[in-house]
Amino acid sequence: NAGVTQTPKFRVLKTGQSMTLLCAQDMNHEYMYWYRQDPGMGLRLIHYSVGEGTTAKGEVPDGYNVSRLKKQNFLLGLESAAPSQTSVYFCASITTSGSLTGELFFGEGSRLTVL
Amino acid sequence: AQSVTQLGSHVSVSEGALVLLRCNYSSSVPPYLFWYVQYPNQGLQLLLKYTSAATLVKGINGFEAEFKKSETSFHLTKPSAHMSDAAEYFCAVSDLLGGGADGLTFGKGTHLIIQP
Repeated sequence: NAGVTQTPKFRVLKTGQSMTLLCAQDMNHEYMYWYRQDPGMGLRLIHYSVGEGTTAKGEVPDGYNVSRLKKQNFLLGLESAAPSQTSVYFCASITTSGSLTGELFFGEGSRLTVL
Repeated sequence: AQSVTQLGSHVSVSEGALVLLRCNYSSSVPPYLFWYVQYPNQGLQLLLKYTSAATLVKGINGFEAEFKKSETSFHLTKPSAHMSDAAEYFCAVSDLLGGGADGLTFGKGTHLIIQP
């Protein structure tokens, strides 16, 4: 039972490079989220999706793009990486039905360093 | 808009002592409240959640939290700390069960240190 899986777990980029983080969930959850975690800042929402083919901006969306072509996958892209995007990125998913309603399930995180 | 304030970025207690992590929230509607725990190099996992059923909520690993509307608080407690409780703890709030569409709003976290 994999839950939420993020790849890659670690990545080092140079300023200006692009990359994509992949999030996959096998729980058939409707909603998916990308957060970034920085020391002393807690978790901040980057983008989210309420279903296949739909995405929306969160609190800190600048410099990121997302896509949800399949219900189980949510991709986070950095078009031109900047040092300010050095962070730990977490994907999460949630269901809106059943006994687990309200619980966010998190991946283990992807640590990104931009030099 | 909702917000969460966690008092104390670091809390240190002795093993066997009471753990108290403070969380105050702001919400324009009855909130749904959560406590998550993050162990080193891992994602977050749910400790407990308040969804208006009972004001005292029991979670995993002996933790519990009490919702106090008059104080807009949802403090996390554990009677006796264990070394394995050392972790980062996050309080979170949502206006709607299920996080609504835009997820949960998290506090900045409290790092719990357990002294032997």
